[in-house]
Amino acid sequence: AQSVSQHNHHVILSEAASLELGCNYSYGGTVNLFWYVQYPGQHLQLLLKYFSGDPLVKGIKGFEAEFIKSKFSFNLRKPSVQWSDTAEYFCAVTLGNTDKLIFGTGTRLQVFP
Amino acid sequence: EPEVTQTPSHQVTQMGQEVILRCVPISNHLYFYWYRQILGQKVEFLVSFYNNEISEKSEIFDDQFSVERPDGSNFTLKIRSTKLEDSAMYFCASKNSPSGANVLTFGAGSRLTVL
Repeated sequence: AQSVSQHNHHVILSEAASLELGCNYSYGGTVNLFWYVQYPGQHLQLLLKYFSGDPLVKGIKGFEAEFIKSKFSFNLRKPSVQWSDTAEYFCAVTLGNTDKLIFGTGTRLQVFP
Repeated sequence: EPEVTQTPSHQVTQMGQEVILRCVPISNHLYFYWYRQILGQKVEFLVSFYNNEISEKSEIFDDQFSVERPDGSNFTLKIRSTKLEDSAMYFCASKNSPSGANVLTFGAGSRLTVL
């Protein structure tokens, strides 16, 4: 069955540290890739998405992600995190033309000042 | 920015009771969804809804679950007889096209606790 894996369950960083959260998916066909963020007590918000074109996509708040098709990966990066980045981060995919989002288990990021 | 709103934010109920979770999708959206997240687990698709009927449902969405768009603005999820394992955060979402490349807008969620 198709799945999305996020290997980092809990990441703790100090402010200004660099961040990379892993995301891998298992599906051989066309995918649309998303990163969502959930700040404490708030709704899921879209950080960035990839549908086609340049595999390096830039999102809000200085986040970016790179789609590497050969590795079935879509890792999220930020060069310098802030305390306000403390949140849960979810990688998700839709397969082909279907619109059902398949989520990863999420990564909890804690940033300390 | 338009929002998807959900009520209640938190509901506590006894096992076997009926629960209705309400959602007001973004006004020009036509495609509606429910997802849920059991504590510590991944967000899971429950059901999609378009043109007053279910488009797709997961194996989780059994006969105890139903969805309805009763009045053109609300989109509800009903659980007929709650079980302990229904305790979860339930997220409503909407979008304006069925394309997999189109972005879902999520609500803040309704936390259901079944005792």
